[in-house]
Amino acid sequence: GAGVSQSPSNKVTEKGKDVELRCDPISGHTALYWYRQSLGQGLEFLIYFQGNSAPDKSGLPSDRFSAERTGGSVSTLTIQRTQQEDSAVYLCASSFSGDRSSYEQYFGPGTRLTVT
Amino acid sequence: GENVEQHPSTLSVQEGDSAVIKCTYSDSASNYFPWYKQELGKGPQLIIDIRSNVGEKKDQRIAVTLNKTAKHFSLHITETQPEDSAVYFCAAFKAAGNKLTFGGGTRVLVKP
Repeated sequence: GAGVSQSPSNKVTEKGKDVELRCDPISGHTALYWYRQSLGQGLEFLIYFQGNSAPDKSGLPSDRFSAERTGGSVSTLTIQRTQQEDSAVYLCASSFSGDRSSYEQYFGPGTRLTVT
Repeated sequence: GENVEQHPSTLSVQEGDSAVIKCTYSDSASNYFPWYKQELGKGPQLIIDIRSNVGEKKDQRIAVTLNKTAKHFSLHITETQPEDSAVYFCAAFKAAGNKLTFGGGTRVLVKP
């Protein structure tokens, strides 16, 4: 079946502009995660959605970052007033559930964001 | 919070040899340890995982071992092939935290 999809695959924006990144999780997956991967670095957790519960926003680096998940499926990560240090690959992952039953997270291809 | 250390950062092996990557974690409550392979320009792909109630798991040329007492786990790739060249990430997950904490990654190069 279809995996996690993300759009756009690449985004170049000017410093100070807002950007929106989209994630379509695997159908039926109730948990959705956003991670950030800076050049040559590991993955940094940003935010986690599980069903209708309040999201875990503990990884968001500043109040310029926000995310929403509409209808329990598609998610949008928004970065306002982008800065050069926001340049990174933003990865989305989904899993069947955030509880004990299934921990496996499946990643999308990522969106490469470049802030000039 | 959880902290995951991964070594080595780069690993070069001859085709056919074995490759071993080691990770340590800090939070004894972590109970799930996946390994991801990331090829250039792609998202991480889950290749094998292990839960805390198991000491070893094998899938063809790939195996993972877990030592809960020492809080470390390792990835073993045998009979390496050029297509094994990629960046490998270990991670630790705690159900209460509901998020993966990743190691810094190991760039593996398999020389033909």
